[in-house]
Parts: sequence; C-alpha cells; structure tokens
Amino acid sequence: DAKTTQPTSMDCAEGRAANLPCNHSTISGNEYVYWYRQIHSQGPQYIIHGLKNNETNEMASLIITEDRKSSTLILPHATLRDTAVYYCIVRGSNAGGTSYGKLTFGQGTILTVHP
Amino acid sequence: SQTIHQWPATLVQPVGSPLSLECTVEGTSNPNLYWYRQAAGRGLQLLFYSVGIGQISSEVPQNLSASRPQDRQFILSSKKLLLSDSGFYLCAWSTAGYQPQHFGDGTRLSIL
Repeated sequence: DAKTTQPTSMDCAEGRAANLPCNHSTISGNEYVYWYRQIHSQGPQYIIHGLKNNETNEMASLIITEDRKSSTLILPHATLRDTAVYYCIVRGSNAGGTSYGKLTFGQGTILTVHP
Repeated sequence: SQTIHQWPATLVQPVGSPLSLECTVEGTSNPNLYWYRQAAGRGLQLLFYSVGIGQISSEVPQNLSASRPQDRQFILSSKKLLLSDSGFYLCAWSTAGYQPQHFGDGTRLSIL
C-alpha cells in the first residue's frame, strides 16, 4: 500500500472549517483513500473514503485531486469534540492478496479545535 | 446495524500470566476480523487477521496467538505475558472489497 504524508499538527477555531491535507504521491490505480480519527483512549473511528471522486457524508467531505496524489479532509464546522488525531490511509481491496485490506496507520495529524 | 464488542475495557496482568481478549461482531455474516495493537505514543500495528472460521494469518511474530472459533468471534490469547505485551488492543471488522474497517473500543492492557 502507498505511504501517506500528513502535517504533524493543526489548529482550528470552533465553528470554522478544518481542512486536513494528505499527500499520497505513490498511490496506485486500485487504492482508495481512507480517513479515520482517534480520540484519546478510544478506538479509531471511520470517517470517509474515496477512490477519485469527491465524497461527502454526514461527518465530512473528501476532496481528491485529479491526479490522485493528494487529498483533503474537510470538517465543515469544527467543534471542540472534533479534537483528535486524524489518519489518512491508502489501501487496496480486502479481497485476495496477502494483506487482506491491512490498514497501515502513520502518525496522523493532531487537530486541536479551540474556542 | 452492525456492532462490535470488546472486553474487558482495561486489564492489569502480572508478567507470565495468561491472556484472553474477546471480540464479537453483531449484525453481519462472514466478516473479515482483525486484531491491532497500539503501543503508547505509536501508531496501530496489525497483529492478526481472519477471513473465516479457523483461518488466522499473523502479520508479525510475537508472543500472542489468535483464534476464530465462530463466525463473529475473534479471540486474542497468550500463554505467558511479557512486559512488552502492554498496549491498547483493538479489534476491527469489515466486509470484503473496499469497505472500511470498523473498530471496537479497545482493551487497555497493562503488564506488571
């Protein structure tokens, strides 16, 4: 699976949009981009994933560049409860192969939302 | 809807004692199941995964073993715990293909 690069930390004011970037320049054609977050002492929470089209759900939006070498997770109206470590992960399919969809977590971005 | 349960939430064990952590999934059939460990201040490391009953694959050599006696039950075990086994243990499930993995609340294991 391709590696990802994220900033170590970011700050965001409550109520503003939080834009978290991720570089994945070695992504291959069949790999998806996944975003998770982990609040202290809890298991990672799935946020969103996508292949090449922009995606939106009730939690966030995912913008993937046309060349697929980078993406941005957007939390449209950040709250204090969004303070967490955000992980961007590139992964192939669960089906077949030797990794069976293993998620490789890097260090992620520590997002701090302040009042 | 699907849910995943892990227990216990916290566990303190002496060195050399056995371990059994259990994970169960509800609301889905034949899921892929995973055990991860997160050491303090580090990222998650995949330990084991299973694509079916009795089918276990290990990602890294270690002092732990895993079993899947039922379709939606995944167990992490050790015969003799080491200090280095301390950490946050997480179970996850997914369906096949590109669907995401969903994690339980984890077990925080401390070895004394």
